[in-house]
Amino acid sequence: GAVVSQHPSWVICKSGTSVKIECRSLDFQATTMFWYRQFPKQSLMLMATSNEGSKATYEQGVEKDKFLINHASLTLSTLTVTSAHPEDSSFYICSASLISGDKNIQYFGAGTRLSVL
Amino acid sequence: QKEVEQDPGPLSVPEGAIVSLNCTYSNSAFQYFMWYRQYSRKGPELLMYTYSSGNKEDGRFTAQVDKSSKYISLFIRDSQPSDSATYLCAFFSGGSYIPTFGRGTSLIVHP
Repeated sequence: GAVVSQHPSWVICKSGTSVKIECRSLDFQATTMFWYRQFPKQSLMLMATSNEGSKATYEQGVEKDKFLINHASLTLSTLTVTSAHPEDSSFYICSASLISGDKNIQYFGAGTRLSVL
Repeated sequence: QKEVEQDPGPLSVPEGAIVSLNCTYSNSAFQYFMWYRQYSRKGPELLMYTYSSGNKEDGRFTAQVDKSSKYISLFIRDSQPSDSATYLCAFFSGGSYIPTFGRGTSLIVHP
């Protein structure tokens, strides 16, 4: 099956620092990847759509200067939380689209738990 | 009206029970239907994928789609404590690559 690797799984950082999260599709190429945020016992909240070779598309209310997304290759997208603050503490999950014919299936990474002190 | 309605639960059942999880949707353009399982502090894992009305079976799991009623279900037979997780329904419309997720139903299977 398709595998999406997300790293790190847990990061603790000081307020004001930046944190980078990587999302890799290990056995398929993904022109489109997605970044989600999830609060405890809440559903997935789409933050942005990451397209290889072009600028990410951010959902309404998501600060693009705070959440920098780079999709430099067909297998790697990164999310950088800049100048992190305690309110940025959350669970961040990436997914990658595997497209085959008219099938479009999302495969998810294991998620990254961010704790900002 | 929300595009997708899913009862958050929790749904608590004894081991061995048959579990029924459901979602309703309002968007007639949805053509692809998925169920994901998410364990606590993990990413969602794809369980079932279907694009037509009717039933699709995979082991202890059966996905059911009723397009006329805009209703999908996931049945789990012989439920196990290891099935305890949050189950999310997800939808795609044709030509779109952005899924719409339900809020998830928390399932607890107790021994």
